[in-house]
Amino acid sequence: GQNIDQPTEMTATEGAIVQINCTYQTSGFNGLFWYQQHAGEAPTFLSYNVLDGLEEKGRFSSFLSRSKGYSYLLLKELQMKDSASYLCAVRDHAGNMLTFGGGTRLMVKP
Amino acid sequence: GAGVSQSPSNKVTEKGKDVELRCDPISGHTALYWYRQSLGQGLEFLIYFQGNSAPDKSGLPSDRFSAERTGGSVSTLTIQRTQQEDSAVYLCASSKGTSVGKVFGPGTRLTVL
Repeated sequence: GQNIDQPTEMTATEGAIVQINCTYQTSGFNGLFWYQQHAGEAPTFLSYNVLDGLEEKGRFSSFLSRSKGYSYLLLKELQMKDSASYLCAVRDHAGNMLTFGGGTRLMVKP
Repeated sequence: GAGVSQSPSNKVTEKGKDVELRCDPISGHTALYWYRQSLGQGLEFLIYFQGNSAPDKSGLPSDRFSAERTGGSVSTLTIQRTQQEDSAVYLCASSKGTSVGKVFGPGTRLTVL
């Protein structure tokens, strides 16, 4: 099975940088995903890591360490519209199932 | 259409009734997933379809839940004898394969009274 932990809530200031951590314990691993979900909306795909290291996409970056069972999502130059829940999800070895963490609710304040 | 569509967007039903939720994936996407999200909770995997392979039903919470995917496209999730704990947003997602990010539909908000 999979166990995924991420903080429940975080608060940050507009223009700042925030790092959202995700740790996982899994019986199989074949990639880690980050999704953004605004309140009342469906999740949207942000990033995918399957190898160790940092993947950068504009203001968002995602890091993976498979040996440590650890990932983080880094958001730079925060904007008010970044206020949302950020979901970490791990794919099992068979590649079928994504197991999601509970999500981190990020509040960006002026 | 350009995205994943789901219907209805909202469904209110009485305890004990059956409901059917529909998902139209993106054309050409071979993988289709159903998830459930209870209020303030993370996403819970329900079922996965990939092409013509047998579906992965490992996430279905009880035998009251079933899903079909006809012609490798549209999928229907059926919940029989609904219970109040079935109240949640049911999200469908599709992808071209298993190595890419999924595209989620807008979800169906189910309320069981």
